[in-house]
Amino acid sequence: QKEVEQNSGPLSVPEGAIASLNCTYSDRGSQSFFWYRQYSGKSPELIMSIYSNGDKEDGRFTAQLNKASQYVSLLIRDSQPSDSATYLCAATTSGTYKYIFGTGTRLKVLA
Amino acid sequence: DTGVSQDPRHKITKRGQNVTFRCDPISEHNRLYWYRQTLGQGPEFLTYFQNEAQLEKSRLLSDRFSAERPKGSFSTLEIQRTEQGDSAMYLCASSLYDSSNTEAFFGQGTRLTVV
Repeated sequence: QKEVEQNSGPLSVPEGAIASLNCTYSDRGSQSFFWYRQYSGKSPELIMSIYSNGDKEDGRFTAQLNKASQYVSLLIRDSQPSDSATYLCAATTSGTYKYIFGTGTRLKVLA
Repeated sequence: DTGVSQDPRHKITKRGQNVTFRCDPISEHNRLYWYRQTLGQGPEFLTYFQNEAQLEKSRLLSDRFSAERPKGSFSTLEIQRTEQGDSAMYLCASSLYDSSNTEAFFGQGTRLTVV
């Protein structure tokens, strides 16, 4: 079983819509969760971090964490074509600060 | 603060040659990570350091791979006797060990092609 799982997509949404990206993790001891955006051929860029249950908002981005369900999500409001990228979910393993990544979800925002 | 810096950005090498990559972390960061990423996959953990101590190395990593972080500043990743399967993007990230914030930031990566 993969430690962090994401649907590879592609997820296609029209411009201006809300994009919803989901991630599940297997290590119940994981404490910290992150979303990274990665454009083709580039390195991952940190978008959001979330450490406690609930929602965390930053501009057009909202991260949601539910530790009981071992579920993390990222909502992108008012999606723009420039948001088209692969979104990576990551979690730190219990007892260390090693980051485990999912395979990423490819998002396509259609103009 | 110029962020995490990696050198070189691209490397083409012949199979069997040794290669070395360098990573300069964000200056106040005491944790440094190496990852490898192939097409369509997420970054795969290789190893990480806290200051100069190597705290963990992936069991998937063969003995041909070695990493150092002398004096707890920059780090190098060496691959000996490269194989075509080593072709990948090698990513370095750094973070500040702080219980309240564990965000890690990546460098631009080094793309290795073994021919």
